[in-house]
Amino acid sequence: GAGVSQSPRYKVAKRGQDVALRCDPISGHVSLFWYQQALGQGPEFLTYFQNEAQLDKSGLPSDRFFAERPEGSVSTLKIQRTQQEDSAVYLCASSPYIGSRNTGELFFGEGSRLTVL
Amino acid sequence: AQKITQTQPGMFVQEKEAVTLDCTYDTSDQSYGLFWYKQPSSGEMIFLIYQGSYDEQNATEGRYSLNFQKARKSANLVISASQLGDSAMYFCAMREGERGGGADGLTFGKGTHLIIQP
Repeated sequence: GAGVSQSPRYKVAKRGQDVALRCDPISGHVSLFWYQQALGQGPEFLTYFQNEAQLDKSGLPSDRFFAERPEGSVSTLKIQRTQQEDSAVYLCASSPYIGSRNTGELFFGEGSRLTVL
Repeated sequence: AQKITQTQPGMFVQEKEAVTLDCTYDTSDQSYGLFWYKQPSSGEMIFLIYQGSYDEQNATEGRYSLNFQKARKSANLVISASQLGDSAMYFCAMREGERGGGADGLTFGKGTHLIIQP
């Protein structure tokens, strides 16, 4: 597809369940970001990939959160033993640029809305 | 300290009026970029406009313009001739410096909920 695709769009999980959220970035985009957006808030940075390398995971809130991008394209954000405070929209964004050449905008997917009961 | 501050949680504006959404930022970097995104109820983040810290002219994109006041660290979004379809959340965001990693991403404000009334 032409844009960033995320799945599932909606996920309801029982507390303690593991979830996996998928992101298909725009083909050829080197940079991939995950953001967490709580209700009524702006997106907050979780982690960043440059191709398959996870260069920054400083925003991951706990060791229950894990992200990977093994072949430098599709990425998966996994949340283990979900808690109610994990309920949020998880946004994936990609960019064709890296580093000092990164003057362009990020292209966002529609997000995956996670509700933990 | 917050890096991006949007002081208007919500705004009501009459259709066809111009609207200004406030954004102030905090950075010690000389090189940075400022962005505005629109997020309708469907959830996708739509890029609107970009201003680089070294750009001398205010950015404009159709009905959108960015009132960039560098000394005040202000980057307000102006929407001219507002339309009903402009109703959405609006986020100001910043990319700082050239540090790479997550810094290549964006730091967002908390957003302003704009409602255009007929």
